Amino acid sequence: TQLLEQSPQFLSIQEGENLTVYCNSSSVFSSLQWYRQEPGEGPVLLVTVVTGGEVKKLKRLTFQFGDARKDSSLHITAAQPGDTGLYLCAGAPGGSYIPTFGRGTSLIVHP
Amino acid sequence: EAGVVQSPRYKIIEKKQPVAFWCNPISGHNTLYWYLQNLGQGPELLIRYENEEAVDDSQLPKDRFSAERLKGVDSTLKIQPAELGDSAVYLCASSSGLAASTDTQYFGPGTRLTVL
Repeated sequence: TQLLEQSPQFLSIQEGENLTVYCNSSSVFSSLQWYRQEPGEGPVLLVTVVTGGEVKKLKRLTFQFGDARKDSSLHITAAQPGDTGLYLCAGAPGGSYIPTFGRGTSLIVHP
Repeated sequence: EAGVVQSPRYKIIEKKQPVAFWCNPISGHNTLYWYLQNLGQGPELLIRYENEEAVDDSQLPKDRFSAERLKGVDSTLKIQPAELGDSAVYLCASSSGLAASTDTQYFGPGTRLTVL
């Protein structure tokens, strides 16, 4: 059983479409992080959300942390081919310092 | 500033052979992580170092895997003997270690291991 469940697992869309990916858990996290990983590279941090209900924006990407700090979402507006990649959420539950990753959402944006 | 450096980038070995991966973290980063990433999965933590001390190694299969970070800088992860199921990408990451739960981890490009 994955501590962090990500959905959907795969997403294939056309350039210009909007999308939302989700990261859910039954555990409370002090913070959650979102990464993007491109083929042949390591994950790169996009954002860290810390406060329940927090919303952070990074250009066309909007990240939200659930009020109970058990879930998070990533919304991309007007997706571009450059957004293609594996989107991973990660966090350390409760007082743990052991980072846990979800399985990721693989996004392909077609021109 | 140089990022996390890993070598080799690719390694192909036969089962039962030994293999070693090397990681040089970002200068000044006290915390170093080794992860295993299978195809279509997220990274799974193998071991975390604070300076030269291994503080989280519960996920490291100690019968065949070993790691060291002797001077608290670069690190080596070894598998001996390798099994077919060890084929994966091995990622190294480092962070400043100032705030464990929210530290930014910087990842290297990984070593892709194929065991035949």
